[in-house]
Amino acid sequence: GAVVSQHPSWVICKSGTSVKIECRSLDFQATTMFWYRQFPKQSLMLMATSNEGSKATYEQGVEKDKFLINHASLTLSTLTVTSAHPEDSSFYICSARGGWASYEQYFGPGTRLTVT
Amino acid sequence: QKEVEQDPGPLSVPEGAIVSLNCTYSNSAFQYFMWYRQYSRKGPELLMYTYSSGNKEDGRFTAQVDKSSKYISLFIRDSQPSDSATYLCAMSASETSGSRLTFGEGTQLTVNP
Repeated sequence: GAVVSQHPSWVICKSGTSVKIECRSLDFQATTMFWYRQFPKQSLMLMATSNEGSKATYEQGVEKDKFLINHASLTLSTLTVTSAHPEDSSFYICSARGGWASYEQYFGPGTRLTVT
Repeated sequence: QKEVEQDPGPLSVPEGAIVSLNCTYSNSAFQYFMWYRQYSRKGPELLMYTYSSGNKEDGRFTAQVDKSSKYISLFIRDSQPSDSATYLCAMSASETSGSRLTFGEGTQLTVNP
């Protein structure tokens, strides 16, 4: 149980375009989902926290107009990187909490974004 | 100063060795402590979870928390090459669903056959 999926696993896009990443909790309902960014050999940096049906809370320094987060249902959250630039290239990981194990976060497999 | 400090390594040990991984923290509000394992280009997976001070054992893994010293450890006994990964400590102050985790930098471990 407690499986979180992400799609796509890897995406390459051109500078200036937008990319959408999906995060789904497959076997539980997630009242809260988190989006992280991870650079090579570095830890996870929390970008934003999203609660189902409400606006996401962004961490300091994260541009909310650039990283659009939608948590439309208890099993799906999306992150859209708008007008992507090469410096946005990174590993994006989502996690989901809620249901029977509220103190544990279950992570998706990550999405590698490369902006050319 | 970072809230959570973790030696990034890399740490290289022979197969069968006992591995000790550690984190220190500065926020006394942290009460929930977790260890995650992350393989290259994969998402982290939860290994151990402990609340407050004490020990917890699960197979070859033992997690220890010393809140008085603000120090947590993960021990891996009889280490295997499949244990080669990055180990991340994480902690939070609240049990509620919205509580955020604060991660250490991660320690890269290699177990040599």
